[in-house]
Amino acid sequence: QKEVEQNSGPLSVPEGAIASLNCTYSDRVSQSFFWYRQYSGKSPELIMSIYSNGDKEDGRFTAQLNKASQYVSLLIRDSQPSDSATYLCAAYTGGFKTIFGAGTRLFVKA
Amino acid sequence: GAVVSQHPSWVICKSGTSVKIECRSLDFQATTMFWYRQFPKQSLMLMATSNEGSKATYEQGVEKDKFLINHASLTLSTLTVTSAHPEDSSFYICSARASVYNEQFFGPGTRLTVL
Repeated sequence: QKEVEQNSGPLSVPEGAIASLNCTYSDRVSQSFFWYRQYSGKSPELIMSIYSNGDKEDGRFTAQLNKASQYVSLLIRDSQPSDSATYLCAAYTGGFKTIFGAGTRLFVKA
Repeated sequence: GAVVSQHPSWVICKSGTSVKIECRSLDFQATTMFWYRQFPKQSLMLMATSNEGSKATYEQGVEKDKFLINHASLTLSTLTVTSAHPEDSSFYICSARASVYNEQFFGPGTRLTVL
């Protein structure tokens, strides 16, 4: 069974701090990895994609991928209360399906 | 780019009736579309995967005769909940993927309430 594992949280960080969200995956053939943000009552929104080992930065977000350790993370710098949401990690292994983690709830305290 | 729309955004219906939800990719051709269901405070649950012009592939435990999926074109998929019951009340979300991307883009979701 291909799986994507995330700590459900909640992860609570003060405003302005760095929030670190982690994800592990079981399928070594996973090619592409994604982070989605889902606000309560809304659908998921894609915020980052990463395909190669290393870091990828986009504004306050940095995605990190380590295929040898089967680990992908998302760092949110200068966290804001508006970043409070559930963050979903996802892995695409080819074929038709993308496997989603259950999500980590993040609370940013003002 | 990569916008997916859903209609309606919410619907209330009586038990026993059928409800159709449309999902459209507005600025790309979606070779594969997905339908998810999400109950309050729970994870996304994949219901089915559909490819344009083919029959949908349903996840285990999802009744294909109850949740009818049609993916007739590269920009439109529909989900029909037949003979809806209160336990079908949920947040239904579609997503779409183009052949040139690996990303899935989600629609805004449809909140279904069955009385």
